[in-house]
Amino acid sequence: EPEVTQTPSHQVTQMGQEVILRCVPISNHLYFYWYRQILGQKVEFLVSFYNNEISEKSEIFDDQFSVERPDGSNFTLKIRSTKLEDSAMYFCATQGFGVYEQYFGPGTRLTVT
Amino acid sequence: GQQLNQSPQSMFIQEGEDVSMNCTSSSIFNTWLWYKQDPGEGPVLLIALYKAGELTSNGRLTAQFGITRKDSFLNISASIPSDVGIYFCAGQDSGYALNFGKGTSLLVTP
Repeated sequence: EPEVTQTPSHQVTQMGQEVILRCVPISNHLYFYWYRQILGQKVEFLVSFYNNEISEKSEIFDDQFSVERPDGSNFTLKIRSTKLEDSAMYFCATQGFGVYEQYFGPGTRLTVT
Repeated sequence: GQQLNQSPQSMFIQEGEDVSMNCTSSSIFNTWLWYKQDPGEGPVLLIALYKAGELTSNGRLTAQFGITRKDSFLNISASIPSDVGIYFCAGQDSGYALNFGKGTSLLVTP
């Protein structure tokens, strides 16, 4: 069964550094999402991406964040200058055309020190 | 996003018991999805609901989309130890972004 994959599984970075989180969507999916989950809390929406542009974003997704699909395969989330409060699990999710189910990857645990 | 109230916050039950959890919202949703999350892993989709009043089953799981479109419940029958985890409801309103509840933590003792 096709799966969403994410790399790395764990990223440790120093405050102020840039990080790039990567996702490989299910192959025929067209809608891509990033969510985050702070330890012990609920999953929160960050951004959705369709047809090579952002279609929705939350208040969390400020100018420090960006997304792109550079090679038609990977879907990336970049955090320009990480803060301590960016420490969380980051999940990529993908969705096929004409359906509403979103399938999540295993996540990247980001630890900012 | 909209606030979802998910209850109960946690449940501690014996193997074989049935479980019921629910989500309510102050506003209407067009879609309800239920996910299960194991520690350190991503949410796994269990059931998707698209129409008010819809009742859908997936094995021992049954979920319903409330008639008012502001609530949904999930039932698990004859629980087993591998049902342990956190169950999240998630709703979609006008867009595709999922609004998640805070989760119900389920513990099952043999």
